[in-house]
Amino acid sequence: KAGVTQTPRYLIKTRGQQVTLSCSPISGHRSVSWYQQTPGQGLQFLFEYFSETQRNKGNFPGRFSGRQFSNSRSEMNVSTLELGDSALYLCASSLGTSGGLTDTQYFGPGTRLTVL
Amino acid sequence: AQSVTQLGSHVSVSEGALVLLRCNYSSSVPPYLFWYVQYPNQGLQLLLKYTSAATLVKGINGFEAEFKKSETSFHLTKPSAHMSDAAEYFCAVSYLSGSARQLTFGSGTQLTVLP
Repeated sequence: KAGVTQTPRYLIKTRGQQVTLSCSPISGHRSVSWYQQTPGQGLQFLFEYFSETQRNKGNFPGRFSGRQFSNSRSEMNVSTLELGDSALYLCASSLGTSGGLTDTQYFGPGTRLTVL
Repeated sequence: AQSVTQLGSHVSVSEGALVLLRCNYSSSVPPYLFWYVQYPNQGLQLLLKYTSAATLVKGINGFEAEFKKSETSFHLTKPSAHMSDAAEYFCAVSYLSGSARQLTFGSGTQLTVLP
């Protein structure tokens, strides 16, 4: 079974631009979560989508948004990029079953975003 | 909110020595705990998870972790370190935030294996 894929793997943008990152989950997984990883803040939860609906959201400004399509693929968008948005953005998929506290999240390799 | 604390941002061991990576959790209800590993330029890979079925959990690559409620700990161990174990390790706790599942990670421990 293919793993979680993320595109692109590397991205360089300048301040003020916007960016869209893509994530394809493991086949059959309906939940997709996004995380931001930086050396200073570590792994921080952005949001989770399940069946095309945002189910949970972390503490990030409204510049960060996402969506999920009917095939469970997900995109996240960051508008008006700031230098501090430079990070590794990780996507994780899981079955997303109700009350799935023990659900394993499977991570993609990430998209490395550099904002100049 | 629940949280996990990883003691020691950097740990160095010699090849063949015991690996011990520490994780303490903060939870008012039975926690569900995970250990993940991240190799350079890669995503996170699950090593093992505690789901209350057994306190000693065995994972991949020879790693195991023991859930100790009295100590609120879930330390990761491996009897004999291998060079390929060099990576960053994350402890995480899963809980309900409102009606949604939340997975919160510790700050990570970078493991160096010395020849």
